[in-house]
Amino acid sequence: QSALTQPASVSGSPGQSITISCTGTSSDVGNFNHVSWYQQHPGKAAKLLIYDVSKWSSGVSNRFSGSKSGNTASLTISGLQAEDEAHYYCSSYTTSSTWVFGGGTKLTVL
Amino acid sequence: EAQLVESGGDLVQPGGSLRLSCVGSGFTFTAYSMNWARQAPGKGLEWISYITSDTSTINYADSVKGRFTISRDNAKNSLYLQMSSLRAEDTAVYYCFTSRYWGQGTLVSVSS
Repeated sequence: QSALTQPASVSGSPGQSITISCTGTSSDVGNFNHVSWYQQHPGKAAKLLIYDVSKWSSGVSNRFSGSKSGNTASLTISGLQAEDEAHYYCSSYTTSSTWVFGGGTKLTVL
Repeated sequence: EAQLVESGGDLVQPGGSLRLSCVGSGFTFTAYSMNWARQAPGKGLEWISYITSDTSTINYADSVKGRFTISRDNAKNSLYLQMSSLRAEDTAVYYCFTSRYWGQGTLVSVSS
């Protein structure tokens, strides 16, 4: 199972919106709504932000939103804040009854 | 509040064994298939194992197949990962997760 494809890096200015894409195949992202997004600050544990494509994990700001179209899922962060600077990962359930993660995207807040 | 709490991480010598545990609370544990994932230092997240609620289906990543064993005890709301023949490259933070919940991780270090 190949990893999901994410851009290595994205950037944006405070207050702007950015979108991180996560591209899979019809065997994973395109076939299931079990797509999740995680945030990880340096030296910290990964934190679940979004599950089932667009549902917020407990306590997560509604500035984070998820969506999916075909084989590509997306995470949008609106009203970008300095504290959003982190690595972001996506994951998906697969037709092989496994999960697959994306390689991660580093978000820089300019 | 729903949560998953891992434990059992430790420093272990190459070739050694270790058992990780993950306890779920605040949700219906038996309603979910469970997984283990890991993250080596400076690397991304890697899925390593999956088990259905009734344990009828179990899968492993090639990197751990034959060395790691996943199991669960639904009466105790617990998930386990028995790790053997540990290698330096198994050094990582290990997370348990479902489609909806994610733990805080436990650190396994393999070194002499």
